[in-house]
Amino acid sequence: DAGITQSPRHKVTETGTPVTLRCHQTENHRYMYWYRQDPGHGLRLIHYSYGVKDTDKGEVSDGYSVSRSKTEDFLLTLESATSSQTSVYFCAISEMQGQGNYGYTFGSGTRLTVV
Amino acid sequence: QKEVEQDPGPLSVPEGAIVSLNCTYSNSAFQYFMWYRQYSRKGPELLMYTYSSGNKEDGRFTAQVDKSSKYISLFIRDSQPSDSATYLCATELNAGGTSYGKLTFGQGTILTVHP
Repeated sequence: DAGITQSPRHKVTETGTPVTLRCHQTENHRYMYWYRQDPGHGLRLIHYSYGVKDTDKGEVSDGYSVSRSKTEDFLLTLESATSSQTSVYFCAISEMQGQGNYGYTFGSGTRLTVV
Repeated sequence: QKEVEQDPGPLSVPEGAIVSLNCTYSNSAFQYFMWYRQYSRKGPELLMYTYSSGNKEDGRFTAQVDKSSKYISLFIRDSQPSDSATYLCATELNAGGTSYGKLTFGQGTILTVHP
């Protein structure tokens, strides 16, 4: 996963606590995404960013917020963690070329367990 | 109904077999099609990228798109145990850049190639 790192790799947290996951890239790509992956659902988009301070909601954004104050960092915050947010979270980056993005580069994922 | 449907399998084949993985999609505005491969406990990695209807070949892998049927396929020839992974199809809208590169994924198919 050259050029993109996620932290932490694993986290166990208690219900009701806030949690922040970090995605860091060294590729200077404009677009960054947070997905969650759950059995039977594949990858679902939580939030995305198309530039510094430019973010928008994805398909499953309830209970999550994001921030991007620098090109290289995209933070995902679970405001008050619930058991339904136990999942594997992936960050991805891309750069638009023409009208398509020619594919993502994904991070290694963060495995989050809410107990 | 999900916008992109993929048979989750699992699919188990002997080494050397030809593997066929398939997805259907419902939105005719999808114009870009990708296949990702995901090894256990890793992030997905881009395997194939196609734009137009027809076939695209890369080594043992062939991606096929039929826009009239809204059907996409990935064929793996001479399958190897190292091909054992989850395969995810993905689509992107053609919206002149305003889709922000957002991808819609299928649920993923778990493939095992046994020696």
